[in-house]
Amino acid sequence: GAVVSQHPSWVICKSGTSVKIECRSLDFQATTMFWYRQFPKQSLMLMATSNEGSKATYEQGVEKDKFLINHASLTLSTLTVTSAHPEDSSFYICSATQTATNTGELFFGEGSRLTVL
Amino acid sequence: AQSVTQPDIHITVSEGASLELRCNYSYGATPYLFWYVQSPGQGLQLLLKYFSGDTLVQGIKGFEAEFKRSQSSFNLRKPSVHWSDAAEYFCAVANQGGKLIFGQGTELSVKP
Repeated sequence: GAVVSQHPSWVICKSGTSVKIECRSLDFQATTMFWYRQFPKQSLMLMATSNEGSKATYEQGVEKDKFLINHASLTLSTLTVTSAHPEDSSFYICSATQTATNTGELFFGEGSRLTVL
Repeated sequence: AQSVTQPDIHITVSEGASLELRCNYSYGATPYLFWYVQSPGQGLQLLLKYFSGDTLVQGIKGFEAEFKRSQSSFNLRKPSVHWSDAAEYFCAVANQGGKLIFGQGTELSVKP
C-alpha cells in the first residue's frame, strides 16, 4: 500500500522555539493532507486540512498563526509549531489522500511526538 | 454534526476469547466508517472500512465489523484474540472529502 512518512519521529525543543514536522507521501501524489493532534490517552483531533497549492483550512479552535501548515507540493506538507510551549507537547499525525473524493485512499504517517521543555 | 462514540474506554479479554468493540456514530448521510488500530507511540493502521454494499466487512488480522444502520453502529469483532492484539482501537467516520472524525478510542488489554 501507499506510504506516508513523517519526520522527525521524536523532537524535544525548548519553550519559545519553533519546530517543523514534515509529512511526505512516498509513492503517490497527495492532493489533500490532514493534520491531527493526539494528547496522551485521548483520541485524534483534526487540526487542519491542507490542499496542495492553497491555504490550509483550520478547524475551530486551532490557532492558524501558531500552527503553520504549508503544502507546497503534491508529496510534502509541513506543520510548523511556532513559539512552542509545554502545552503544545503532543503527538502529531498526518494523513494523505490521493484524491479529494475517494476516502478509501487515506494513509497515515507514523506520527511525530513533540515534547516542549 | 458528525460524531463517533466508543462507549468502552478500556476492555480486558483473555487470550483466545472473543472480542467485540462497540462504536456508534452520528452522521446525516450514508457514512464512511473505519476502524483503526494504534500501538503505543505509533501511527494508525487501518483494520477495515465500510462504504457501501455488504454490511459485514472483513479486515486484516482476522477482524470484522458489521454496519447496522438501524442502530447507527459499526462494532468490531474478532472470534479469538491474540496477545499481539493489545492496542488502542479507534472507530472513525468520514465525509466525502476524507476528513475523519474519531471516537475516543478503546484500549484493549489481553490476559494470558
